[in-house]
Amino acid sequence: EDKVVQSPLSLVVHEGDTVTLNCSYEVTNFRSLLWYKQEKKAPTFLFMLTSSGIEKKSGRLSSILDKKELFSILNITATQTGDSAVYLCAVDNQGAQKLVFGQGTRLTINP
Amino acid sequence: DSGVTQTPKHLITATGQRVTLRCSPRSGDLSVYWYQQSLDQGLQFLIQYYNGEERAKGNILERFSAQQFPDLHSELNLSSLELGDSALYFCASSVGVASTYEQYFGPGTRLTVT
Repeated sequence: EDKVVQSPLSLVVHEGDTVTLNCSYEVTNFRSLLWYKQEKKAPTFLFMLTSSGIEKKSGRLSSILDKKELFSILNITATQTGDSAVYLCAVDNQGAQKLVFGQGTRLTINP
Repeated sequence: DSGVTQTPKHLITATGQRVTLRCSPRSGDLSVYWYQQSLDQGLQFLIQYYNGEERAKGNILERFSAQQFPDLHSELNLSSLELGDSALYFCASSVGVASTYEQYFGPGTRLTVT
């Protein structure tokens, strides 16, 4: 059965800190791994990763995929209170044409 | 604003009842996906429709059904509701049939079963 596991489940840091969120997966017919940010309601897309070792970057956020070890990390540097959210990792199962989501990491940034 | 709309925003109903959730995809998107998000289960894929036809099925209960209409809006029907069906239900849309990565999520419908 397809599985996506995120860690930690919850993280509280101070503004300005750097955080690393983890996502490991077991899925048949892997196509891509995606990161979403969920604040109050709908998840919003952050990154899609398909190749190992190639970092995707957007401002203070970056992510990388390791297809050999079956995991990805999401880094956020110089965190701000607006980064407080649940970060979801999902894996695209090409065969089943569906996204399999992890439980999410709830990140809280204190001023 | 993703361009995906969902109604109603909130729904409170009793066990045993039936409800219908509605979703309008972004203009031009042919695929609609339904998800259930509960505290203990996370975000779970339920079902996908593409241009009116069912294309993929996830963890959808037999008490639940969905359809996509010719104007591409979709409805999720939940019947014989149980307390455990209380959750946030999201609709997402994308352009193509296999473009799962380009999904845009609606604001969700919060269902409370009492």
